[in-house]
Amino acid sequence: AQKVTQAQTEISVVEKEDVTLDCVYETRDTTYYLFWYKQPPSGELVFLIRRNSFDEQNEISGRYSWNFQKSTSSFNFTITASQVVDSAVYFCALSDPYNTDKLIFGTGTRLQVFP
Amino acid sequence: DAGVTQSPTHLIKTRGQQVTLRCSPKSGHDTVSWYQQALGQGPQFIFQYYEEEERQRGNFPDRFSGHQFPNYSSELNVNALLLGDSALYLCASSLLEREVLTDTQYFGPGTRLTVL
Repeated sequence: AQKVTQAQTEISVVEKEDVTLDCVYETRDTTYYLFWYKQPPSGELVFLIRRNSFDEQNEISGRYSWNFQKSTSSFNFTITASQVVDSAVYFCALSDPYNTDKLIFGTGTRLQVFP
Repeated sequence: DAGVTQSPTHLIKTRGQQVTLRCSPKSGHDTVSWYQQALGQGPQFIFQYYEEEERQRGNFPDRFSGHQFPNYSSELNVNALLLGDSALYLCASSLLEREVLTDTQYFGPGTRLTVL
């Protein structure tokens, strides 16, 4: 069975601190996709990244970076120099290999960044 | 370029009633998926529509049904509402070409359903 675990329910940091959100997944598939989404208070899920299981290269996009480690089934997300606008709930998700629209989400991590 | 839109924004119903939620996909998208997000939880996949047919379904009872129209918009219907159906219902759209999803899935702002 496929499963995504986000053990951190809530994280609070002060602006400019770095913060890492953890994601551990379970799947028997050899091909799969991993995602991160941001959900601000408005409710709309905002796509951040999609990673193919065959691509273990870490990725950096501005203040965001992702560390994919297949050996530990983890796909962690780091925000560098956090800002108040980063406050949101962040979801990690795993997709069905044949349908990347069918996402299995974790329970999310609420990040609060204080000024 | 309009993104995914959903209506209504909020809805209050009583147990046993029926509800219809609506979704218009992002311009250029032809595939619509529906998710249910209970408070404090991650979204759960309900089903997906493509070419006016249900392409895939998650673990939801038959009380949940849907429809896709020729203009790619979609409806989610829930019959015999239960208190546990209270949730944020999210619609997402993408583009499917020759059975391959070619564009990132975009989500709408959701419809907040409260069942009393």
